[in-house]
Amino acid sequence: ELKVEQNPLFLSMQEKKNYTIYCNYSTTSDRLYWYRQDPGKSLESLFVLLSNGAVKQEGRLMASLDTKARLSTLHITAAVHDLSATYFCAVDRYADMRFGAGTRLTVKP
Amino acid sequence: DSGVTQTPKHLITATGQRVTLRCSPRSGDLSVYWYQQSLDQGLQFLIQYYNGEERAKGNILERFSAQQFPDLHSELNLSSLELGDSALYFCASSATSGPTGELFFGEGSRLTVL
Repeated sequence: ELKVEQNPLFLSMQEKKNYTIYCNYSTTSDRLYWYRQDPGKSLESLFVLLSNGAVKQEGRLMASLDTKARLSTLHITAAVHDLSATYFCAVDRYADMRFGAGTRLTVKP
Repeated sequence: DSGVTQTPKHLITATGQRVTLRCSPRSGDLSVYWYQQSLDQGLQFLIQYYNGEERAKGNILERFSAQQFPDLHSELNLSSLELGDSALYFCASSATSGPTGELFFGEGSRLTVL
């Protein structure tokens, strides 16, 4: 069974500091996705990583994928308040898209 | 706006009742996914349809059923509702069946069972 684990589940960040969220998955897949969810809102796609070694960057967020280690990381550079949200990674295997539990980020001044 | 439309946005009902949630995917998307999000269970995959056919099934209870119609909209039917069914139900669509591309989520239907 495909399992997706994120850590940490909660992350309190200080502004201007750097942090990393980790996403591990249990079976072979070379497609990994990161989504953002604001409280009470829907999920918004952030990154689509489609191959080993893929790296995508958008603003202060950078995502990477290591399919051999079955690991993706979401790196946050110089955290700012508007990054406060819950971030999910998701892995798909034959049309079964499984999500991690989510990492709730809060940024404090 | 993702282009995925879900109705109703909010629904309050009683235990034992039956409800239907509706989803219209993005124009051109053939795949529809249903997810349940609750505080204790996180985001749980329920079921996926592609062009009217069931393609993948997750942790969907027997009391729940879904279908996708020829116009590609989908409905999730929840019956014999229990308190524990209270959750946010998301529909998502994508352009391909599998392996999938990114999902585009609707705003969700919040179900409260009293």
